[in-house]
Amino acid sequence: GQNIDQPTEMTATEGAIVQINCTYQTSGFNGLFWYQQHAGEAPTFLSYNVLDGLEEKGRFSSFLSRSKGYSYLLLKELQMKDSASYLCAVKDSNYQLIWGAGTKLIIKP
Amino acid sequence: EAQVTQNPRYLITVTGKKLTVTCSQNMNHEYMSWYRQDPGLGLRQIYYSMNVEVTDKGDVPEGYKVSRKEKRNFPLILESPSPNQTSLYFCASSPGQESYGYTFGSGTRLTVV
Repeated sequence: GQNIDQPTEMTATEGAIVQINCTYQTSGFNGLFWYQQHAGEAPTFLSYNVLDGLEEKGRFSSFLSRSKGYSYLLLKELQMKDSASYLCAVKDSNYQLIWGAGTKLIIKP
Repeated sequence: EAQVTQNPRYLITVTGKKLTVTCSQNMNHEYMSWYRQDPGLGLRQIYYSMNVEVTDKGDVPEGYKVSRKEKRNFPLILESPSPNQTSLYFCASSPGQESYGYTFGSGTRLTVV
C-alpha cells in the first residue's frame, strides 16, 4: 500500500529552528508537496520538490531525497504564527495526491 | 480574486436528510476534487473530476455523489447523510491533474446528528 509518515506533534521555541520529517512509500513519484494548515482552515501551499535537493523560500526550506523516500521541511526564526499543522503529500504514478496525517507544530514563547 | 468558494461553512443536519455542499472556482481549472479530513487520518479523497462530465471515485466515495456539468462547479451531494459523515470537507482545484499546487476552498464543517 501507499504510505506517508510524519510525526504527529512537535514543539519548538519562538526564534528557533525546527525540522519536520516525512517519509513515503508510494507507487511512483511525481513530486512532493508541503502545505501549512491552521486549525479549522484550508491548507495553503508551501513548497514543491520533484528533484533531489534543497528548495529555499524565505524562512522555509524543503529537502527531498527520492532514493531514500524522504523529505523534510525546515522552518527558521520561528514565529508564533507558525503554530499550525504541516502536511506532507506525494503525487503517485497516477498523479493522485497521497497525504500524510500532518504534523502539529506548537510554538512556545 | 482567484479562489475556490465553498458553501456553507458550517452545517448541522439530521440523519437521512439530503444535502448539497457547493464548490465553485473562478480560475478555469480543469481538475477539481473533494476531500474529507478527520483527526489523525489526514485528507482523504472522496471524488475527483479531470474535466466537465468526467468524475472518478477517490479513496472514500461511499455515501457521496458528485457532478461536473460546468467547469467551474463541482457540488458534493449526500443523499442520506449518516453520523459517520460528520467531518471537515474541502474542495480543491488545480489547472490539471499533472500540475502542481492545489487551491483549497475554506472548508465545510458538517455535523450529522
